[in-house]
Amino acid sequence: DAKTTQPPSMDCAEGRAANLPCNHSTISGNEYVYWYRQIHSQGPQYIIHGLKNNETNEMASLIITEDRKSSTLILPHATLRDTAVYYCIVRVSPGANNLFFGTGTRLTVIP
Amino acid sequence: GAVVSQHPSRVICKSGTSVKIECRSLDFQATTMFWYRQFPKQSLMLMATSNEGSKATYEQGVEKDKFLINHASLTLSTLTVTSAHPEDSSFYICSASFRNSVGNTIYFGEGSWLTVV
Repeated sequence: DAKTTQPPSMDCAEGRAANLPCNHSTISGNEYVYWYRQIHSQGPQYIIHGLKNNETNEMASLIITEDRKSSTLILPHATLRDTAVYYCIVRVSPGANNLFFGTGTRLTVIP
Repeated sequence: GAVVSQHPSRVICKSGTSVKIECRSLDFQATTMFWYRQFPKQSLMLMATSNEGSKATYEQGVEKDKFLINHASLTLSTLTVTSAHPEDSSFYICSASFRNSVGNTIYFGEGSWLTVV
């Protein structure tokens, strides 16, 4: 699976949009971009995934650049409960089911 | 989304004893489940891949005789930490793959905190 690069930490004011970047410059054509988050002392939670088109669900939006070498996860109105470590992962789907977790971005939502 | 449940969420055991952690896919069948371990302030590390009806596949450096994995049904995988020692104290997390019309998504359990005293 392609390697990803994320900033180690970010802050966001409560109620504002949180934009979390991810670089995946070596992504292959059949690899998807997945986002998970892990709130302290809990298992990772699936957020969203996409291949090349932008995606939106009830939790977030995923913006993937046209060359697919980077993406941004957007939490439109961050709340204190969104404080967590966010992981950007690229993998083939379907295919090898394992997920490789990097260090992620620790997002802190500030009141 | 699909639900994966782990039990127990927290367990304390004495050094030298064994402890079993269960991972269940509640509303779907999972032919493959994964077990991860996470130490404080570190990322998740894959320990093994659990395959229904066959032997688990362990990652390099993980002792298969110490971390026994059984995947006897399509909805249940168990991880048994045998002869536990304090250094085995960690957060253990399982996951299962759920395939639907939009692809193959992995869902995680809530995790199990193991403390060996």
